[in-house]
Amino acid sequence: EVQLMESGGALVQPGGSLRVSCAASGFTFSSYWMSWVRQAPGKGLEWVATIKQDATEEYCVDSVKGRFTISRDNAKNSLFLQMNSLRAEDTAVYYCARLRPGATLDSWGQGTLVTVSS
Amino acid sequence: QSALTQPPSASGSPGQSVTISCTGTSSDVGTYNYVSWYQQHPGKVPKLMIYEVTKRPSGVPDRFSGSKSGNTASLTVSGLQAEDEADYYCASYAGNNFFALFGGGTKLIVL
Repeated sequence: EVQLMESGGALVQPGGSLRVSCAASGFTFSSYWMSWVRQAPGKGLEWVATIKQDATEEYCVDSVKGRFTISRDNAKNSLFLQMNSLRAEDTAVYYCARLRPGATLDSWGQGTLVTVSS
Repeated sequence: QSALTQPPSASGSPGQSVTISCTGTSSDVGTYNYVSWYQQHPGKVPKLMIYEVTKRPSGVPDRFSGSKSGNTASLTVSGLQAEDEADYYCASYAGNNFFALFGGGTKLIVL
């Protein structure tokens, strides 16, 4: 069974940094593209970042470029999102998701809440 | 990087059919047959319902179907049931610059 478990969400002050993680199991992690998707309270889904199997390609939404970095450790079946210069508008539940060809997110974690507030 | 356009809400009575639209551009929905749909109940994790425009993952009832015409994709739910009441999001591959976009979401209400 595919399992994705996020961790690391916290309350952070504006301008601060945070790294959230996603532990994967139940599938060959190194064979899949992976993504982070976020959902602000009461709002819709927003695609945040995507990384190729071998980390040679990365994509992220304009609003986080230069501030967020997606990375992975295939040896530890883990996905990461390093978030710097956090803003109030980054407050959201951050989901880790497995990506199939064609931008299809077929498995999702339970999410981790990041709150940016003073 | 504009989000795909979905109606805020849609509704239907049990047993009826409802169609939710998802309008993009020639740079995303219109070019790629990579539209997916997600169902999200309140407080729950999104669930994949349709991928590559028309395909259903195993376990998704065949009451759910997808289609596309030009820059607009659609999700049709036939034989509406109470448990279908949820938020539905479309997503499309958008090429190397933006990779992927979501729609704003549609709240499906079963009357």
